[in-house]
Order: sequence, then structure tokens, then C-alpha cells
Amino acid sequence: KAGVTQTPRYLIKTRGQQVTLSCSPISGHRSVSWYQQTPGQGLQFLFEYFSETQRNKGNFPGRFSGRQFSNSRSEMNVSTLELGDSALYLCASSLGARRQETQYFGPGTRLLVL
Amino acid sequence: DQQVKQNSPSLSVQEGRISILNCDYTNSMFDYFLWYKKYPAEGPTFLISISSIKDKNEDGRFTVFLNKSAKHLSLHIVPSQPGDSAVYFCAASKATTGTASKLTFGTGTRLQVTL
Repeated sequence: KAGVTQTPRYLIKTRGQQVTLSCSPISGHRSVSWYQQTPGQGLQFLFEYFSETQRNKGNFPGRFSGRQFSNSRSEMNVSTLELGDSALYLCASSLGARRQETQYFGPGTRLLVL
Repeated sequence: DQQVKQNSPSLSVQEGRISILNCDYTNSMFDYFLWYKKYPAEGPTFLISISSIKDKNEDGRFTVFLNKSAKHLSLHIVPSQPGDSAVYFCAASKATTGTASKLTFGTGTRLQVTL
């Protein structure tokens, strides 16, 4: 079974631009979550989608948004990029949305904002 | 406000010895804890978890201990192997979130197992 895939793997943008990252969950998984990883901050939760609905949101500004499609694929968008948005963005999928379900992570998209 | 803390950024252990990775948390609402392992250029991989109703959970060479009164958990790897060299993240979740995700992660500990 294929794992979680994320595209693109690497991205360079300049301040003020916007970016869209894509995540394809494991087949059959309906829950997709996004995390931001920066040095010194660990992984920070961005948001979670289940059956096309956002179920949970982390403490990030409104410039960060996401959506989920009917095939469970998800996208996240960051508008008006800032230097501090440079990070590894990780997507994770799980079968459902029960609390103790294992989340499977993709390899991440590394975003560099210049 | 770092609610999950891994105070040791790195740890070096000889092959065959025990590796002990520590994690502290401040939020008493956390009731489910996990450890993930991450190799370079890969996403984190789930290792082991523990519910707050237990104080120990084992899975092969990996054991997680939870001390609720001290708000502390640890991951023991016995015996350590070179393939265990990776960054280990501690994570926690609380019942009020109601979902599997919204994990709060620590900043990670880089484990190096030497020959």
C-alpha cells in the first residue's frame, strides 16, 4: 500500500507570494492533518480535515488555510508569505478520526521563503 | 509556550546499551502520549504510545514509561542498534480535542547509536 505522498518536495518562494502544497493520504484514510516543523519549535499542528470538513485548527494566522477533497486528498495554502514561514510542512493521514488512531506521515514539503 | 518538552537535544549511546529518551509535559489535560522516530528526508514514523491509565507499555525493544504525578515520560530502547539513530519526538494529545490528530510535539532528541 502506498504511503502518504506530498508534492512538491521542495519549494522556493519570495515574500508576499502565495503557495499551495498538496497531500495524498494512504488509500482508504479519511483524516488528514497538517503540521509545520521549524528548528527549535518541533512540529506544530496546523489543521485537520475529515470527510472534507475542518475538524480542528491550530494556533496559526488566517494566512494558513486548507481544504480536503472528496477523494480525501488535501491542500494547504499560505498567502502573503513571510520569511518565518520557511519550514518543513508535514501531512499525516489516519483511517478515521478516533483519538488513538495511528497517524502516518508523509516526507514533507520543504518551503524556503526568500 | 512549549507544553511538551524534550530537554536533551541529543544523546549518544553505544550499540547494545540502553537508550533513555526523556519528555516532560506541563498540561495536565494530556492523557495520551506517543513517540515518533524520524529519519532525515522522511516523515515521522509512529513507534509506541501509552494511555494515561497505564504507567508502562512495551513493544519489542521499546518501552515507554509514564509518571503522571511528575508529568514525565521516557522511552527506553534495549538493546540499542545503529539503525535506531534518528530524531525521536514525544507527542501528547488531550481528550477535549476529540480527534486523533492535534498532537502537541516536543522539539525532538537526536539519538546516535555508536558502534
